[in-house]
Amino acid sequence: EPEVTQTPSHQVTQMGQEVILRCVPISNHLYFYWYRQILGQKVEFLVSFYNNEISEKSEIFDDQFSVERPDGSNFTLKIRSTKLEDSAMYFCAIRPGYEQYFGPGTRLTVT
Amino acid sequence: ELKVEQNPLFLSMQEGKNYTIYCNYSTTSDRLYWYRQDPGKSLESLFVLLSNGAVKQEGRLMASLDTKARLSTLHITAAVHDLSATYFCAVDENSGYALNFGKGTSLLVTP
Repeated sequence: EPEVTQTPSHQVTQMGQEVILRCVPISNHLYFYWYRQILGQKVEFLVSFYNNEISEKSEIFDDQFSVERPDGSNFTLKIRSTKLEDSAMYFCAIRPGYEQYFGPGTRLTVT
Repeated sequence: ELKVEQNPLFLSMQEGKNYTIYCNYSTTSDRLYWYRQDPGKSLESLFVLLSNGAVKQEGRLMASLDTKARLSTLHITAAVHDLSATYFCAVDENSGYALNFGKGTSLLVTP
């Protein structure tokens, strides 16, 4: 099973601050995804990234969000000005075939 | 808008009993996924169903897909406590394979 790591595991930030969440797949992959899960709720798709470009994004992924692959290995999700409602678990996923493999997640707490 | 509905949302069952979780979806996709999530943890891929009539089994869990009925089932045989977790089904409908999740079924297996 492909491995994905995410850093940090927990991030606490104040409302209005910028945060960057990182995803590091152990081996090379082309397809990356970000999902979020508000506590006790379902998993929601944010954005997919293929060949260094956004291939699909949800309505949640508005102008305050951005993704990039700055150095060919890390895959980052940036939230420019965090809001209280951004508090959630954020999962990165990779897709080597049909199946998506999820990282351990970053718990983001906005105060 | 793609809808993925699971039922039941909560399930408490005794060890040794059998039960089925249902996943209905509104798209014509023939790709359906089952994931398991333990409290505070990430999502673990259980099954990938890629065609009508697909059936997969792993231990006490068996998943099936009926694309004509837009229905997938996850059958639990002779439940044990270790199966206690939240089970999500997910469907992708676009070429980017973004997953649309159901709300999850929280399963508790009691002695």
